[in-house]
Order: sequence, then structure tokens, then C-alpha cells
Amino acid sequence: GQQVMQIPQYQHVQEGEDFTTYCNSSTTLSNIQWYKQRPGGHPVFLIQLVKSGEVKKQKRLTFQFGEAKKNSSLHITATQTTDVGTYFCAGPPSNTGKLIFGQGTTLQVKP
Amino acid sequence: DARVTQTPRHKVTEMGQEVTMRCQPILGHNTVFWYRQTMMQGLELLAYFRNRAPLDDSGMPKDRFSAEMPDATLATLKIQPSEPRDSAVYFCASGLGTGSTEAFFGQGTRLTVV
Repeated sequence: GQQVMQIPQYQHVQEGEDFTTYCNSSTTLSNIQWYKQRPGGHPVFLIQLVKSGEVKKQKRLTFQFGEAKKNSSLHITATQTTDVGTYFCAGPPSNTGKLIFGQGTTLQVKP
Repeated sequence: DARVTQTPRHKVTEMGQEVTMRCQPILGHNTVFWYRQTMMQGLELLAYFRNRAPLDDSGMPKDRFSAEMPDATLATLKIQPSEPRDSAVYFCASGLGTGSTEAFFGQGTRLTVV
């Protein structure tokens, strides 16, 4: 079946350092979504990318969608303690309505 | 403030008992997803519905799990009989469309089977 893989699984950074998580799908995705889950909370939608090669920014967060629509990345510049949580990518395989999540990358930020 | 509502928030039950989890999707949303989250497996898609019809439940153990939408305002996930390995957080999410728009998650039901 279709799989979405994320690396790394965990990342510890010093506050102020940058952070990147990578997402790879075994099949082409019609779009890629990113979610953030705070400890003890539920996943919350951050953004959706639809076009091949698309890049979007939200303040210190930069999201990219690969040319083949099978990979994506999230980059955080100058992390803050409020960035702590697990970041998930998710996407529906083409021609399906499923929303498949990656395993997530858990970010810890040391003040 | 529209939100997905899940009940109960926490459930502790003995092995072999039936468990029913409920979800009220956001009014007007036509897609409902059920996910199970564990440390080992992450967020697993169990089933999803569009316009109350089940479209895919291939992620669900068929012998003990069942998911239904009796009406547009209620989705249920049942486990009978429950087993300790079912202990997890179960999330319901709703959305417009079929995976092409954002999914709004409920706060989850934390299930512990002893």
C-alpha cells in the first residue's frame, strides 16, 4: 500500500537553530498537507501545497513540494520553544480520498 | 467556533468489553476520518466516510472493529471485544471534500484496555 515516510523521527535543537523535516511518499500525491501536534494535543492543520515545485512561507516556516509530487520538506528558521511538537506531513494518493500521514518528526527545543 | 467533538475523552475498560467512541463532525463537512495513534505506529487511518458512505476501511481489523455514520452529525467506532493492544488515542477528523482540503481533528479518545 501507499506509504509516507518522514525523517528524522526526532530532532533536538538549541533555541535559535534551524530545523528541517523531510517527507517522502511511495506514490504521487495530489497535494501535501502539514500538521502540527503539540504534546497531549491533536493534529492541527498548518498548510497545503498543491502544485509541483510549490514553495510557501509562514513567518519562520518554509514548505516545499517536490517536482515529482512525491516529496516535501518543512524548514523552520531560528527555532523557538513554541515550535515544540510533532510535525506531520499527509497526503491523498492520486485519485483517492484517503489522507495518509507520515510517522511525524518530533521537535524538542532547548532554551 | 466550529469544532469536531469526540466522546468520551478518556475510557478505561476491561479486556473483552465493548467500546463505543463517538464523533460529531463539523456541520456541513461531508468527509469523516477515523485515525488511531500509538507511539509505535503513528497516525493510522482506520476508515473514512464521504456523505455518510464508508469508502475505505482497509486499515481496520474487521473481526473486532466497526465504523458507522448513522446520520450526518454522528460517526461511531466500535470495538468488540476489546483487547489490550487496542489501547491508543483514537482521533476523528472531518473535512470538506475528499482529502484535498484540510482535516479538522477532534481532541481524541484515549482508550486504555486492561
